[in-house]
Amino acid sequence: QKEVEQDPGPLSVPEGAIVSLNCTYSNSAFQYFMWYRQYSRKGPELLMYTYSSGNKEDGRFTAQVDKSSKYISLFIRDSQPSDSATYLCAMGLGGFQKLVFGTGTRLLVSP
Amino acid sequence: DVKVTQSSRYLVKRTGEKVFLECVQDMDHENMFWYRQDPGLGLRLIYFSYDVKMKEKGDIPEGYSVSREKKERFSLILESASTNQTSMYLCASSPTGRNRYEQFFGPGTRLTVL
Repeated sequence: QKEVEQDPGPLSVPEGAIVSLNCTYSNSAFQYFMWYRQYSRKGPELLMYTYSSGNKEDGRFTAQVDKSSKYISLFIRDSQPSDSATYLCAMGLGGFQKLVFGTGTRLLVSP
Repeated sequence: DVKVTQSSRYLVKRTGEKVFLECVQDMDHENMFWYRQDPGLGLRLIYFSYDVKMKEKGDIPEGYSVSREKKERFSLILESASTNQTSMYLCASSPTGRNRYEQFFGPGTRLTVL
């Protein structure tokens, strides 16, 4: 079993839809949770960063962490064609710099 | 604007060649990382470095070595390239302290080994 599981997609939605992207994980010691966005032929860029459980909002993006269920989510409101990219979740253990990445979910937002 | 740059965007090499991939960051970050990214496997850590001349093996170090002689530069070396090392290689850097998980990535090098 992989430490971090993520549905590869693709997930196709119309412009304006609410998008939900999810990851599950097996290591209960993870404390730091991140979402990266990767456009085609580019490196990943950090989108959201949360510590422990709870929600964090930034504009149209909301990151949610449920440590009891070992489940994290990224919600995108009013999705735009420019949101079309691969979204990678990543997790870190306290005290170490290393991250464990999910395989990424490809999102396609059609106009 | 913070930046991580990689020496080449595309590289084609032959089996058995020694390959150098270079990464430079201008953010004065202590931590630097090399990953490879393959379809269905995601990002896998090859090596990382938390200081000059310091290195730690990641999850898949076999067939690779690294060098960090200066803080801003982290090199990945394929001693004898093989076809199964055809991949996208990504370099990243991060600071220490509470933001140590905020990794900044370069644009990647797509390496093809023939």
